[in-house]
Amino acid sequence: DQQVKQNSPSLSVQEGRISILNCDYTNSMFDYFLWYKKYPAEGPTFLISISSIKDKNEDGRFTVFLNKSAKHLSLHIVPSQPGDSAVYFCAASVVGGSEKLVFGKGTKLTVNP
Amino acid sequence: DADVTQTPRNRITKTGKRIMLECSQTKGHDRMYWYRQDPGLGLRLIYYSFDVKDINKGEISDGYSVSRQAQAKFSLSLESAIPNQTALYFCATSDQGSGRKSEQFFGPGTRLTVL
Repeated sequence: DQQVKQNSPSLSVQEGRISILNCDYTNSMFDYFLWYKKYPAEGPTFLISISSIKDKNEDGRFTVFLNKSAKHLSLHIVPSQPGDSAVYFCAASVVGGSEKLVFGKGTKLTVNP
Repeated sequence: DADVTQTPRNRITKTGKRIMLECSQTKGHDRMYWYRQDPGLGLRLIYYSFDVKDINKGEISDGYSVSRQAQAKFSLSLESAIPNQTALYFCATSDQGSGRKSEQFFGPGTRLTVL
């Protein structure tokens, strides 16, 4: 059973607009969440993370929001740039446990000039 | 220089062959991981190691084995490759001593094709 779900396989937005990528999880033990970005022919690279004690974390153009009651998190990119075009993976872990990451299937973001 | 390197980057092999994928890191991290990525399935954990003497199975370890030769080296073996092991394989590392233990750093990947 999939514990981390990214229900949108793809998303297309115009340059300068906001990109919103969504992620849902089912395991209430998850308490640390990460977003990774992956370009073709490269490994995933860490983008931003959030602990379950927070509901928002911001880093430049990237903001992650966490709604624990809904078991939902989202990544906002404002403004979107063509270089943001990549596959974005949501991941979750249990801090203090094995800390293994459980990944979603990814969302392919395309930012059109 | 890359902090996490994987060799080979691409490999084509035949069913039944033994294959080893290698991972080296210069980050000084104690934890290492092997994942595979299949189209539409995200990344799935094969094996992970928290130090040289610690090896743990992930969610899809059947058909694979690993060896942690040193803190910096973690290899993945397919004892008898089969076509459904065709995938992109990633090695990753993390630092147990870091305040952000869950943050993992990935290598560039190995594309394996089993004919």
